Amino acid sequence: GIQVEQSPPDLILQEGANSTLRCNFSDSVNNLQWFHQNPWGQLINLFYIPSGTKQNGRLSATTVATERYSLLYISSSQTTDSGVYFCAVGSGGSYIPTFGRGTSLIVHP
Amino acid sequence: GAGVSQSPSNKVTEKGKDVELRCDPISGHTALYWYRQRLGQGLEFLIYFQGNSAPDKSGLPSDRFSAERTGESVSTLTIQRTQQEDSAVYLCASSLESRRLDFGPGTRLTVT
Repeated sequence: GIQVEQSPPDLILQEGANSTLRCNFSDSVNNLQWFHQNPWGQLINLFYIPSGTKQNGRLSATTVATERYSLLYISSSQTTDSGVYFCAVGSGGSYIPTFGRGTSLIVHP
Repeated sequence: GAGVSQSPSNKVTEKGKDVELRCDPISGHTALYWYRQRLGQGLEFLIYFQGNSAPDKSGLPSDRFSAERTGESVSTLTIQRTQQEDSAVYLCASSLESRRLDFGPGTRLTVT
């Protein structure tokens, strides 16, 4: 099956800093999503982005499908951005997303 | 509108007992997924339902695990003869035509 690698595994920021999270995948994709899992465990869908660029407030994402990677940008980080960010991809005829291991983000005030 | 709901939110059971977990998807969502997340780990796929098609059970870890879905509504995940390694958070998600997933809050299962 498809392999999904996320980097960095851990990230610590001061409030106000910017960051870039990366998701590499091993095959062409028909489905790519970014999620934020807050400290209480709830998974929030941030972006459905199999290709192209999207923006939502301080967050934006870009997927370059031909080069098999996606980036999640967080600008002016806030303490509420803390949690784990997951990338999930589906490939071929499968619509079952495979999740990466996540990037754990801590934002200090 | 209402999101995905799951019940119970927490379940503590003794080793060897059967448990049933429930998921109510978003109305109109044709696809439903079950995932498992062990403490500090990523999400592990269990089973996928899409409309009236046969479910994809390829992620179920053993024959102690089974799931059903009635049409495009409620799903139940059943674990028979629970073991301590079954302790995890069980997450349900639904989507429209297998695209963007919306997750429920999960059921935390503890097997003692």
